[in-house]
Formats: sequence, C-alpha cells, structure tokens
Amino acid sequence: EVQLLESGGGLVQPGESLRLSCAASGFTFSTYAMTWVRQAPGTGLEWVSSTSGAYTYYGDSVKGRFTISRDNSKNTLYLQMHSLRAEDTAVYYCAKNIISMPGAFDIWGQGTLVTVSS
Amino acid sequence: EIAMTQSPATLSVSPGERATLSCRASQSVSSNLAWYQQIPGQAPRLLIYGASTRATGIPARFSGSGSGTEFTLTISSLQSEDFAVYYCQQYMSWPPFTFGPGTKVDI
Repeated sequence: EVQLLESGGGLVQPGESLRLSCAASGFTFSTYAMTWVRQAPGTGLEWVSSTSGAYTYYGDSVKGRFTISRDNSKNTLYLQMHSLRAEDTAVYYCAKNIISMPGAFDIWGQGTLVTVSS
Repeated sequence: EIAMTQSPATLSVSPGERATLSCRASQSVSSNLAWYQQIPGQAPRLLIYGASTRATGIPARFSGSGSGTEFTLTISSLQSEDFAVYYCQQYMSWPPFTFGPGTKVDI
C-alpha cells in the first residue's frame, strides 16, 4: 500500500525551528517529485515547497526560512523550518507527485500540526 | 503567478442530485488542472488530473472537463460521502503551484 506518514509537528515559539519528516512506503520514492502543502486552521490549501531530483522550489512566504530535502536511502522527505512565525501555524501535508516532475499530487499523508505561539 | 477562483463558494444539494463546480484560472493553464476532495478532518484526495483524467480508484460519477481558463467538476449523483470541500489546482506555471479557495458541497 502506498503510504506517507508525517511526523515532527508540535508547539513552538516564534523564531524557533522545527523539522518535519515524511516517511514513504509502497512506491519507489526516489522516482517521484515530492511536495509539502500546508493548511492554516479553517482555510484552504497552500503549496509550500517541492523537490524534484536536484531541484528545489519554494513559495514566497517560506523562501529563505524553510529547506526541503530528501533521503532516498531512507525513503524520507524533510522540511526544515527556521524563524517560525505565527502565520506558519498550519497542518503540514507531504504529498507524492504523479510523476518525477512536480505537478498534481496523488498521494497525501495524514498531516502534522505545527503551532507557532508564545 | 496564476490565480485560481472557484464558484460557488458553497453548493447546497441533496443526495442523488447532480453537482457542478466551476474553477477559473487567471491565465491559460492548458489542461494542467487537478481537482481534490477534502472531507473535514482528513487529508485532500486527488480526484482528477489533466483536467479530465480520473485518479486511481475514483468513482465514475466524478468527471472533469475544460481547458485553458475554464474548468468544471461534475458529480453526477451525489452520495453521502461526497459532501466535502473541493479544490482545484493548476500546475501549468510554477512555482508557485496555486489552489483555488475551494467549494463546499453540503446538504
């Protein structure tokens, strides 16, 4: 079964850092682009970041603060988040892209909640 | 950046009825358009990609159409499990990938 399982969320204070992980199983992880999407409470979906091969892409709201990476030997996707702000509070989903390039996202994890508050 | 809009914001329908949801892009995205369903408390689920191709395991009552800037998701006969929020997303011009604000389908 194709599955994504996020972890690492929690309550942090503004300015602090957090690293999210997404463990993948059931597919050849290294073959596909991977993506992080977030959803602030009561709002819609916001694309955060994607990685495809050696390339990485970021939304303007997180550029310079967040870093996406992957360890294909561990079938794991990461999101390192620095200088967290209250507006980063959201459920963070990792998602598998349909193909090797970013595009539509066919498999989603259950999400991990990040709360930034003092 | 391509902006996505959806209408209506809320669609009230009864089980068994047909639902038609609209999505518009601020510029052409060709057929690089996906639809997702999100049931409250759950992760989004891919329904349609390439504007009209059903994702694996998606029932035939879901269909997508359109190209360029105007798209439609049709649910031919609503089931109780279809009451959810539906989002469209373009992947023509990125970054960023952009989602519409969603259409809530409720009773």
